[in-house]
Amino acid sequence: DTAVSQTPKYLVTQMGNDKSIKCEQNLGHDTMYWYKQDSKKFLKIMFSYNNKELIINETVPNRFSPKSPDKAHLNLHINSLELGDSAVYFCASSPRREVSYEQYFGPGTRLTVT
Amino acid sequence: GQQVMQIPQYQHVQEGEDFTTYCNSSTTLSNIQWYKQRPGGHPVFLIQLVKSGEVKKQKRLTFQFGEAKKNSSLHITATQTTDVGTYFCAGHYGNKLVFGAGTILRVKS
Repeated sequence: DTAVSQTPKYLVTQMGNDKSIKCEQNLGHDTMYWYKQDSKKFLKIMFSYNNKELIINETVPNRFSPKSPDKAHLNLHINSLELGDSAVYFCASSPRREVSYEQYFGPGTRLTVT
Repeated sequence: GQQVMQIPQYQHVQEGEDFTTYCNSSTTLSNIQWYKQRPGGHPVFLIQLVKSGEVKKQKRLTFQFGEAKKNSSLHITATQTTDVGTYFCAGHYGNKLVFGAGTILRVKS
């Protein structure tokens, strides 16, 4: 039973294209996150949703648009992809919005922009 | 912005040697979490420290939270090849988790 799942696992695309990454959690958690991990392994939060409500929106280009149709799903759409968008994108979830809860990460989506 | 400094960046040890990674914050943390990411894998929660001066152990892993709640450490005794990976500390600032840059541990057998 996969707790936090992401699709696709790998995504190779050309500059200028638009792509989406999907995330689902079956843990019954209220809060979901998107993180970007660059080539140096640095993990940075991008967005967080709590019960479909956006609660964290870091300084991210507006080409990135998250969407949460329900509290078990959080998708990430990226417009006009650039070379610098190449990274591993992790979805995560936690039981509540309070940061005292541990986060459960998905397997990651490796995005390569050529 | 808020930063959690983590050192060293890399550590290459012989199997059986000890390993320590350190995290420092310029501001007081409400709590700190530690995660492990195996090569090619995703971060996995290890532990959370909340109290000033707290020490927690998980088998060969010892976690400490400083008295001022501004620093933390993870110590692994007698490393094994299964310990390889990147260890991240993450501090809570407001409503978000800010990760340190991670320490990559390699173990030579």
